[in-house]
Parts: sequence; C-alpha cells; structure tokens
Amino acid sequence: KAGVTQTPRYLIKTRGQQVTLSCSPISGHRSVSWYQQTPGQGLQFLFEYFSETQRNKGNFPGRFSGRQFSNSRSEMNVSTLELGDSALYLCASSKDLAGGSDTQYFGPGTRLTVL
Amino acid sequence: GEDVEQSLFLSVREGDSSVINCTYTDSSSTYLYWYKQEPGAGLQLLTYIFSNMDMKQDQRLTVLLNKKDKHLSLRIADTQTGDSAIYFCAERGPNTDKLIFGTGTRLQVFP
Repeated sequence: KAGVTQTPRYLIKTRGQQVTLSCSPISGHRSVSWYQQTPGQGLQFLFEYFSETQRNKGNFPGRFSGRQFSNSRSEMNVSTLELGDSALYLCASSKDLAGGSDTQYFGPGTRLTVL
Repeated sequence: GEDVEQSLFLSVREGDSSVINCTYTDSSSTYLYWYKQEPGAGLQLLTYIFSNMDMKQDQRLTVLLNKKDKHLSLRIADTQTGDSAIYFCAERGPNTDKLIFGTGTRLQVFP
C-alpha cells in the first residue's frame, strides 16, 4: 500500500507570493492533518480535515487555509508569503483517529523556502 | 494548556540502552505516541500507548507511561548507529486527530 504522498517536495517562493501544497493520503484513509515544522517553533498543528470538513484548526493567521476533496486528497494554501513561513510542511493521514485507536502516518513533507 | 517537553539531546554508546523522556500536561490525552525523524525525512511512527496502559513493549522498544505524573518514556535496547535521529513524543486528546508534539530529543549514537 502506498504511503502518504506530498507534492511538490521542494518549493522556493518570494515574499508576497502564494503557494499551494498537495497531500494524497493512504488509500482508505479519510482524515488528513497538516503540520508546520520550523527550527524555532517545532511541530505545530495547522488543520485537520475529515470528509471534506475542517474539524479542527491551529493558531495560524488566516493566510493559511486548506481544503479536502471528496477523494480525501487535501491541499493547503498560504497567501502573501512571509519569510517566517519557510518551513517543512507535513501532511498526515489516518482512517479516523477521532473515532478510535487508529494511528496517523506522515508523508515526507514539502520544504518551502521563502526568499 | 498544551505543552509537551523533552530534553534536547542524548548521547549513548552503541549497544547501550537509550531512555528518552517526555512530560505532558493534558490529562485528557487518550493516546501518546513516539515518532522518529531522520535528516531530511518526515515522521516515522515508532509506537504508541493508550492512556489506560502503563507499559508497552515492541521488540527493542519499551514505552512506560506514568499517568499520575504525566510522564512518558521510550527505552531503546541495544541502541545502534541507525537509531541516531530526532525522537518526538506526541499526545492526542479525545475526539480529534490533532497531535501536540514535544520539542524533540536528538539521539546520537557513537561507536
């Protein structure tokens, strides 16, 4: 079974631009979560989606948004990029943790560099 | 509040046991996890424990949970150089997939 895939793996943007990152969960998984990893702040939760609905959201500004499609694939968008948005963005999928004891599996991440 | 703490660094000799510690604050946590991250890679799930358990063993890995003190530990037996990585503990509350991660412990294994 293929793992969680994220595209692109690396991205370089300039301040003020916007970016869209994509995540394809493991087949059969309906829950997708996004995390931001930086050296200063560590791993921080961005959003959680289940069945195309945002179920939970972290403490990030409105420039960060996301969505989930009917096939469970998810995208996140960051508008008006700032230097501090440079980070590794990780996507994770599960069947549905909130419903039970399942575990969350992570993709390799997208490394975003903002210049 | 949401705060998960780990020591930053641990250095062990190859063949010895490693113990990585974690303290968390949310008493409603249902599951606690250990993830491993190698350079340039995503997070690899190592093991997890349900909050009503106090120990779980999986091959070289032993997880101990002290719910009263909100303390979690990961013991790696016979540590190998391939175990060198950053280890994160994480907690999850009820009715959510959201994980709160610790600061990460960098494990260095020397020959």
